Amino acid sequence: AQSVSQHNHHVILSEAASLELGCNYSYGGTVNLFWYVQYPGQHLQLLLKYFSGDPLVKGIKGFEAEFIKSKFSFNLRKPSVQWSDTAEYFCAVNADEDGNEKLTFGTGTRLTIIP
Amino acid sequence: GAVVSQHPSRVICKSGTSVKIECRSLDFQATTMFWYRQFPKQSLMLMATSNEGSKATYEQGVEKDKFLINHASLTLSTLTVTSAHPEDSSFYICSARSSGELFFGEGSRLTVL
Repeated sequence: AQSVSQHNHHVILSEAASLELGCNYSYGGTVNLFWYVQYPGQHLQLLLKYFSGDPLVKGIKGFEAEFIKSKFSFNLRKPSVQWSDTAEYFCAVNADEDGNEKLTFGTGTRLTIIP
Repeated sequence: GAVVSQHPSRVICKSGTSVKIECRSLDFQATTMFWYRQFPKQSLMLMATSNEGSKATYEQGVEKDKFLINHASLTLSTLTVTSAHPEDSSFYICSARSSGELFFGEGSRLTVL
């Protein structure tokens, strides 16, 4: 079974700082990778996803993530954060070879941006 | 994007009672919905896959008699926590797929006293 690790539980940054949130997964086969964001009081929303092709994936709101297969990583990045990026961020993996739609989530990283 | 709505968003109940949480896909039909549970500072854990017109598929370790799932229509799945106990207190989230993307409800926080 796959697992997902997000090592940063809470990250605090000032506006305009650069962001990188770590995500590592454990699974030896083909994976689909996702980053979701949950703004305070709102639903989980998809930020970006990787299925195949270019390992550098661009998502909404200036976010991007890079799939590094050799490191089993899919870190989320943003060059300059804004106060409105304050939210909880979840990395998720789908690696069920039966084609099941199940997602395995990381524990999440709370991001707080200080104005 | 598509909208998934849950009701109620918060519920407090006494130990031993049953609580029903609804998950609706508002602008699309969902033959499959997923129910997750989230403990504080932990991952979303998939509890079960709800299938319209058939029995739900439960993940290992999830008591199917405790967490009853009914998916009677293409837009509604319900999760009933039967004989709730304080350890069932948690955040329950549903999701459904539309055009290849998973959309999540806003979650339902259950507190069992």
